[in-house]
Amino acid sequence: GAVVSQHPSWVICKSGTSVKIECRSLDFQATTMFWYRQFPKQSLMLMATSNEGSKATYEQGVEKDKFLINHASLTLSTLTVTSAHPEDSSFYICSASNSYEQYFGPGTRLTVT
Amino acid sequence: DQQVKQNSPSLSVQEGRISILNCDYTNSMFDYFLWYKKYPAEGPTFLISISSIKDKNEDGRFTVFLNKSAKHLSLHIVPSQPGDSAVYFCAASAGVNNDMRFGAGTRLTVKP
Repeated sequence: GAVVSQHPSWVICKSGTSVKIECRSLDFQATTMFWYRQFPKQSLMLMATSNEGSKATYEQGVEKDKFLINHASLTLSTLTVTSAHPEDSSFYICSASNSYEQYFGPGTRLTVT
Repeated sequence: DQQVKQNSPSLSVQEGRISILNCDYTNSMFDYFLWYKKYPAEGPTFLISISSIKDKNEDGRFTVFLNKSAKHLSLHIVPSQPGDSAVYFCAASAGVNNDMRFGAGTRLTVKP
């Protein structure tokens, strides 16, 4: 089946710094990529939807200046958490879609100290 | 290494009949399991969950069964409705607030 990777799988950073998370579709071209954040009790929140070559569409309540999303190619999307704060600590999951199926990445655990 | 597997990419059932979606896992540390439903162009929505201390959890038309010895869980939808047509993802974690691992999903089509 299709494979989506995320890098890094976990990261610890200091408050005020920025962190970039990569999401790659390894064996297919992803026309659309999604970024989710996991909240307590396992609920997933869709943060944004990005289409290759265009600006991401952010969900209501998600700060676009804080969570920068770039979808530069059909196989790569990046999420940059700028000026990270401890409350940004969470598990971030990406998924990639080829218009037929959606495939989840393994997730990235971000801890801001 | 795929720790959560949904071996059937698609399933088609008739309206009113039972839909059974299956999920297998390999990590014996997993003790919390969830099912998500996803419509096109939308994020997945939480459907039902089960912890390893139970072997069954029911919510309306949806029932999840857990067989720990076989490392297998299933989602039963009875009776199936056309509005149930969606992609269903199985997820597992070691601990209720720990990171989840998703299966590849099963596309359910319920025919009128």
